[in-house]
Amino acid sequence: QKEVEQNSGPLSVPEGAIASLNCTYSDRGSQSFFWYRQYSGKSPELIMFIYSNGDKEDGRFTAQLNKASQYVSLLIRDSQPSDSATYLCAVNINYGQNFVFGPGTRLSVLP
Amino acid sequence: ETGVTQTPRHLVMGMTNKKSLKCEQHLGHNAMYWYKQSAKKPLELMFVYNFKEQTENNSVPSRFSPECPNSSHLFLHLHTLQPEDSALYLCASSQEARGGTDTQYFGPGTRLTVL
Repeated sequence: QKEVEQNSGPLSVPEGAIASLNCTYSDRGSQSFFWYRQYSGKSPELIMFIYSNGDKEDGRFTAQLNKASQYVSLLIRDSQPSDSATYLCAVNINYGQNFVFGPGTRLSVLP
Repeated sequence: ETGVTQTPRHLVMGMTNKKSLKCEQHLGHNAMYWYKQSAKKPLELMFVYNFKEQTENNSVPSRFSPECPNSSHLFLHLHTLQPEDSALYLCASSQEARGGTDTQYFGPGTRLTVL
């Protein structure tokens, strides 16, 4: 069974701090990794994807991938109250068409 | 607005009813997806269509029947559902179901309640 795990939270951080969201996956054949943000009552929207080991930065967001440890994370710098949402980690296996999502981590950024 | 629309937005149906969910994408994409999102459970991929051909069926019960008449439209036909099928059903599209770095765009979802 292919699994993607995330802490459900809520993760609370003060405004301006760095929020760190973590995701682990079980299938070593996983090739690409996605972070989605989902506001309450809305559909998921893609923040960024990563498929190479190391860091990938996009604005205030940095994704980090460590395939040896089967671990991917998302850092949000200078967190804003508008970042309060559920963050979903998704894994694609062998560049196929099957995406496995984690349960999501609820982030709350306190003003 | 992501360019993916879904109708209806809310649906209440009895276990003996037959209904259909509709998804339309205006992005010129070639791949479309159905997902189920239940409370306190991860988002579950149900079906994938790539260039109108079904390429994934993740062991979904036959009471859910997908249809993809063209690359812009996707339907999910529902019949004899169970109360545990109550969930948010999300449609998504992407340029092409390559996996890799293909970005999926989600519609707003249909909130389904089965009585």
